[in-house]
Amino acid sequence: DVKVTQSSRYLVKRTGEKVFLECVQDMDHENMFWYRQDPGLGLRLIYFSYDVKMKEKGDIPEGYSVSREKKERFSLILESASTNQTSMYLCASYSGYTDTQYFGPGTRLTVL
Amino acid sequence: DQQVKQNSPSLSVQEGRISILNCDYTNSMFDYFLWYKKYPAEGPTFLISISSIKDKNEDGRFTVFLNKSAKHLSLHIVPSQPGDSAVYFCAASDGNNRLAFGKGNQVVVIP
Repeated sequence: DVKVTQSSRYLVKRTGEKVFLECVQDMDHENMFWYRQDPGLGLRLIYFSYDVKMKEKGDIPEGYSVSREKKERFSLILESASTNQTSMYLCASYSGYTDTQYFGPGTRLTVL
Repeated sequence: DQQVKQNSPSLSVQEGRISILNCDYTNSMFDYFLWYKKYPAEGPTFLISISSIKDKNEDGRFTVFLNKSAKHLSLHIVPSQPGDSAVYFCAASDGNNRLAFGKGNQVVVIP
């Protein structure tokens, strides 16, 4: 079974704080993704990575950065959190064998 | 511009009846389609998929139909159960490992 874990289920931060969201997968997948989910907007891709130290912008990268120093770990960074970044953040890992993305449990981030 | 569209944001259905969710796409390069199910405060879980070389794929109570000429797919759940109450996302891939998602359909199964 593919296992994707995220560091926190719930997080509350203040405006201007630097926020780190961590994601770890245990299947040696090369491709990993960060999405945010908002009501009525579905899942929107923030960034993805297809290998260590490689990253690509998704559809809404503004205000975010990422880090992929090890294959199993993909971090999303909010350099200076803002209230409009309050959202559910979802990490996913892609299996080329099943041609499917597998998601972590999500982090509900609230920025006050 | 949204490439994957799910209309009718919510659906209510009696337990035991059929739930039908629809999805339309605009990109003719999409060749693989997936449905995910999501409960509140959890990540989406993969439900069923279909390749563009097929027009139907079945897995237990879940069947996905693909009409390539109409750029339309649908998910049928028969019989619907209360545990099926969730948000369902349609997703499509053009082979570059990225997925385009629809906005989701909320399904409520009434016992």
